Amino acid sequence: GAGVSQSPRYKVAKRGQDVALRCDPISGHVSLFWYQQALGQGPEFLTYFQNEAQLDKSGLPSDRFFAERPEGSVSTLKIQRTQQEDSAVYLCASINILHGGTDTQYFGPGTRLTVL
Amino acid sequence: GESVGLHLPTLSVQEGDNSIINCAYSNSASDYFIWYKQESGKGPQFIIDIRSNMDKRQGQRVTVLLNKTVKHLSLQIAATQPGDSAVYFCAENMGDSSYKLIFGSGTRLLVRP
Repeated sequence: GAGVSQSPRYKVAKRGQDVALRCDPISGHVSLFWYQQALGQGPEFLTYFQNEAQLDKSGLPSDRFFAERPEGSVSTLKIQRTQQEDSAVYLCASINILHGGTDTQYFGPGTRLTVL
Repeated sequence: GESVGLHLPTLSVQEGDNSIINCAYSNSASDYFIWYKQESGKGPQFIIDIRSNMDKRQGQRVTVLLNKTVKHLSLQIAATQPGDSAVYFCAENMGDSSYKLIFGSGTRLLVRP
């Protein structure tokens, strides 16, 4: 596949459960971003990786949110002890900044998380 | 799929007319701007971008205008088609090295056949 892929596409969790959301960026893309999109709003930045290094996690709303990218490709966003306010679409984006390309971030389809 | 933009401002246009979607951005230091299109159940799709050293850029059927004086961005879509119906977001990059994007609140475009 040529684009960013995310799994699962939909996730329903009971309040208090832990969830893990996966992102497969475009092959070779160095940088990876996670965004949170509440219903009816624009995406909001959560965190950013360059290769395996997490360079910015200023947007993570609480210490229940954790992201990793151990080998510099696939990334996982983990939410511990989910709360109802965590219900949102979680978007992943990737960008290639080393080949003189544009700064365009390419987004995946998102994971819709519903916490009951 | 889920619905994007239930409470967003809506622009309704007749098929074949031109559409203009406006956006006010927040940071005068931003140096890169992007318009994204988002259909229900999908992620944002790149439409067109512009850097702060330009005031106009044209693509296929789309034009982006940047007015840095009043921190305003607009997207013009020529000969709007039913497939253009979606929610449109502007996004700005703050000019730092992280490439983090700040998104606007979005506008829903409805194209009447």
